[in-house]
Amino acid sequence: GAGVSQSPRYKVAKRGQDVALRCDPISGHVSLFWYQQALGQGPEFLTYFQNEAQLDKSGLPSDRFFAERPEGSVSTLKIQRTQQEDSAVYLCASSSRTSGSSYNEQFFGPGTRLTVL
Amino acid sequence: AQKITQTQPGMFVQEKEAVTLDCTYDTSDPSYGLFWYKQPSSGEMIFLIYQGSYDQQNATEGRYSLNFQKARKSANLVISASQLGDSAMYFCAMSNDYKLSFGAGTTVTVRA
Repeated sequence: GAGVSQSPRYKVAKRGQDVALRCDPISGHVSLFWYQQALGQGPEFLTYFQNEAQLDKSGLPSDRFFAERPEGSVSTLKIQRTQQEDSAVYLCASSSRTSGSSYNEQFFGPGTRLTVL
Repeated sequence: AQKITQTQPGMFVQEKEAVTLDCTYDTSDPSYGLFWYKQPSSGEMIFLIYQGSYDQQNATEGRYSLNFQKARKSANLVISASQLGDSAMYFCAMSNDYKLSFGAGTTVTVRA
């Protein structure tokens, strides 16, 4: 089957605009993660869904960031009133495992590169 | 809090030689997992190898092996017989439940 897909692959926004980033996880994967990767750095955790429930949103940097997964499959990360510091690659990952296991192999999508001008 | 440290920003290796990428971690949890991912210039994160904290033997996957030294909190990745296609960014990561905590990464450049 197909891997994790993300769209758009590239997004340029003017400061103050709202953006929506989409993630299609691997079919049947219950866990879904969003990470933010600044240039030259490792990914940083943003939020975690188990099915449609958002179990951890501790990594979201501000209340301008909002994520949802209403039917337990596709997820959308929304950023309101974008700022220049939001420029980064946003990675989505999915896993067949749920919380409670240290073995949590996550399959990553290609990412969305967001540039805020 | 979990912390992953990769002290080598960049490394050069000759084709067909082996290279070791350093990774140290800090956690107070007795149960955790250690991962290595490869990120080529195209951007996707590719899973390479996993080591559980209770695993007695070092993990191996083809040309990749993980040198796990639990007392030193070290999980170095060894790539044997380097190939030009190994040129990429490599990230060490740790998980004790669900989310991954990543290091800053090491850029590997393989020379012909």
